[in-house]
Amino acid sequence: GDSVTQMEGPVTLSEEACLTINCTYTATGYPSLFWYVQYPGEGLQLLLKATKADDKGSNKGFEATYRKETTSFHLEKGSVQVSDSAVYFCALSDQRSGNTPLVFGKGTRLSVIA
Amino acid sequence: DVKVTQSSRYLVKRTGEKVFLECVQDMDHENMFWYRQDPGLGLRLIYFSYDVKMKEKGDIPEGYSVSREKKERFSLILESASTNQTSMYLCASTWDRGDQPQHFGDGTRLSIL
Repeated sequence: GDSVTQMEGPVTLSEEACLTINCTYTATGYPSLFWYVQYPGEGLQLLLKATKADDKGSNKGFEATYRKETTSFHLEKGSVQVSDSAVYFCALSDQRSGNTPLVFGKGTRLSVIA
Repeated sequence: DVKVTQSSRYLVKRTGEKVFLECVQDMDHENMFWYRQDPGLGLRLIYFSYDVKMKEKGDIPEGYSVSREKKERFSLILESASTNQTSMYLCASTWDRGDQPQHFGDGTRLSIL
């Protein structure tokens, strides 16, 4: 079945450092891809999404590009802030059926220190 | 904005009790989901529903049941709570299209003593 693999955490960075969180997927067909963020004590929020190959999703300075050839959707940010400390989840959705649940990666915890 | 509301942020119950977790969404979404989240295990799908009175088992349905009598409300029931059901429970909803994201509630942190 479909699956998502994202890099293990935790990741600790200094403020203004560059961030990359790797995400690769296995899917039959052409999934939609998502990044969610979970701040401490809260539920998951959609950070960005991409629905077809070469699409770039972006939000709050974060970007991710849907790479069909490498089956990847890596999350990047050029300069992280302390407020970016959170858990980040990569996920995919089978576009063939809206009834199919999202498949999530296990999450990557990011800590940004001042 | 989409609003998914879970009835409690924190809940403490005793072993053997029947526990109800409620979730309400205000966007007329067809699909609703219940997950549990545990350290090191990520999100695991318990049950989901794609229509009123319809339900599908997820990856870990044992010890749980669900009810969806109205489109906006999806309830998770722990028939006889056990300590290994202590966890964070997350509800989500979405439209019936594969390119749409799920919208999550803030979660219920449930402790079973």
